Amino acid sequence: EPEVTQTPSHQVTQMGQEVILRCVPISNHLYFYWYRQILGQKVEFLVSFYNNEISEKSEIFDDQFSVERPDGSNFTLKIRSTKLEDSAMYFCASREGGWSYEQYFGPGTRLTVT
Amino acid sequence: TQLLEQSPQFLSIQEGENLTVYCNSSSVFSSLQWYRQEPGEGPVLLVTVVTGGEVKKLKRLTFQFGDARKDSSLHITAAQPGDTGLYLCAGYTMIKAAGNKLTFGGGTRVLVKP
Repeated sequence: EPEVTQTPSHQVTQMGQEVILRCVPISNHLYFYWYRQILGQKVEFLVSFYNNEISEKSEIFDDQFSVERPDGSNFTLKIRSTKLEDSAMYFCASREGGWSYEQYFGPGTRLTVT
Repeated sequence: TQLLEQSPQFLSIQEGENLTVYCNSSSVFSSLQWYRQEPGEGPVLLVTVVTGGEVKKLKRLTFQFGDARKDSSLHITAAQPGDTGLYLCAGYTMIKAAGNKLTFGGGTRVLVKP
């Protein structure tokens, strides 16, 4: 069964460093998302991406964040200068499109900022 | 801000007992999805409910969407230790041509003791 994959599973970085989190969405899906979950808290929406552009973003998704679909299969989230409070699980999700409601999530990347 | 409140936050029962988890909001949701999340992993989609009053069954799990589409419930019959996990509800408050971010509830942690 097709699934969303994410790499790396765990990333440790120092404050101020740039990180890139990678996702491979399900191949025939058209809508892509990033969510994050701080330990013990709710899953929070960061950004949605469709037709090679951001369609919606949350207040969390400030200028330090960017997303890209560089090659038609990968979907990346870049954090330019990480802060301690960026430590969280980051989940990529994809949706087929049209009136399909289902979002399928990847296993997540645990980002630890020290 | 659209909020989804889940109750209870934690539920501990013996194998063979029944349980119900609730997901409530003051907002109308165009659809609700139920996920199950294991520690350190991504949410796994269980079901999507779309129509007010809709009932869906997945083996021993029964999902219901309220008539007004503001609430939903998950009922597990004859719970087994394998049902242990974090159950999340998540919904779309509006449908747009692109985007459709999910708003998540805080989750109900279910522990089924053998």
